[in-house]
Amino acid sequence: AQSVTQPDIHITVSEGASLELRCNYSYGATPYLFWYVQSPGQGLQLLLKYFSGDTLVQGIKGFEAEFKRSQSSFNLRKPSVHWSDAAEYFCAVASGYSTLTFGKGTMLLVSP
Amino acid sequence: NAGVTQTPKFRILKIGQSMTLQCAQDMNHNYMYWYRQDPGMGLKLIYYSVGAGITDKGEVPNGYNVSRSTTEDFPLRLELAAPSQTSVYFCASSYSTSGVTYEQYFGPGTRLTVT
Repeated sequence: AQSVTQPDIHITVSEGASLELRCNYSYGATPYLFWYVQSPGQGLQLLLKYFSGDTLVQGIKGFEAEFKRSQSSFNLRKPSVHWSDAAEYFCAVASGYSTLTFGKGTMLLVSP
Repeated sequence: NAGVTQTPKFRILKIGQSMTLQCAQDMNHNYMYWYRQDPGMGLKLIYYSVGAGITDKGEVPNGYNVSRSTTEDFPLRLELAAPSQTSVYFCASSYSTSGVTYEQYFGPGTRLTVT
């Protein structure tokens, strides 16, 4: 069965510093991978997705992610974090009938 | 274009009561989903639907029922509410064809407390 692991429950980053959120997946076939962001009290918003092709994908709000098949990873990055990026981030893998399996999330805190 | 809408936003139920969470989408998506989100646990799939009249169980279906009579609507029914059903519920929709998985769009959620 497919699974997604986000090893970091919380991460604190200084405003203006770079960010990397880790995601590892387990899936037998070629995965479809997603990163979503959830601000407090809100629904989930899609940041970016990987279906095929270029392993470095660009998303909204200046985020990017790199698919590494050999490491079963799909880490999310941003070169300079803004205070408004504070939120919870979820990695997900698609599997069968377009259902998604989500990781447990990483809460990003941004310090001034 | 409202996307995915959910009602109500908040609800408090007593143990044993029943209720229906409403979900509607106006994007003509064929797939719809219900998730529950508990702190530190990510999202768990309750039920999903691949089209009107077709539904299937997800990871945590016990205590819930769904129906899908139209493309737009996908209500979630809670029968005999229990404290374990206290959670935030999200509805989502997506368009899928020929085995290609497209992204899911989420509603704003319903926060349910059962006491």
